[in-house]
Amino acid sequence: KQEVTQIPAALSVPEGENLVLNCSFTDSAIYNLQWFRQDPGKGLTSLLLIQSSQREQTSGRLNASLDKSSGRSTLYIAASQPGDSATYLCATSVLTSGTYKYIFGTGTRLKVLA
Amino acid sequence: EAGVVQSPRYKIIEKKQPVAFWCNPISGHNTLYWYLQNLGQGPELLIRYENEEAVDDSQLPKDRFSAERLKGVDSTLKIQPAELGDSAVYLCASSPGTGVHEQYFGPGTRLTVT
Repeated sequence: KQEVTQIPAALSVPEGENLVLNCSFTDSAIYNLQWFRQDPGKGLTSLLLIQSSQREQTSGRLNASLDKSSGRSTLYIAASQPGDSATYLCATSVLTSGTYKYIFGTGTRLKVLA
Repeated sequence: EAGVVQSPRYKIIEKKQPVAFWCNPISGHNTLYWYLQNLGQGPELLIRYENEEAVDDSQLPKDRFSAERLKGVDSTLKIQPAELGDSAVYLCASSPGTGVHEQYFGPGTRLTVT
């Protein structure tokens, strides 16, 4: 059974710092991996989607990498800003009982201090 | 383009009462998901539809939960009767096509059962 872990659970950094959020998963036979952002009381906003055949994806100040063999993905945020404060979740898509299912981590709660 | 719409945004009910949540996915999206999210946790899949067909409802507590997606567009999730432990955020998401694609989430319905 796929398990997705995100460490740390919470992180505070000063504005302008580059930072890395980690996501690890136990079953490397994933179809894709998606990073999301969730603001308090809101739904999830998709940030980046990495297919299993890809190594990384970039969008603006965000870069996500994927290493299937080691069961890890990282989300790199460059020059962090207070507006980046949110909870970041990763989710992997795996084949379970004949159907694909997204398994989510519990998230990293990020606070960027002005 | 409008995003995923959910209503109501908030609902407070007494235990043993019924409750229903409604979701309108992004236009043209064939796949619709219902997730449950407890505080501090990642979303957990309840049911996934491809068009009108429920292709994965293995995690739906069928003794009290039911869902439908008539005409393959809007969907309704119902709980009857509600229990205290059902207090959570219920998220709806949609994705284009069938199979495994990027998911787009609605704002969620926060249910409180007293």
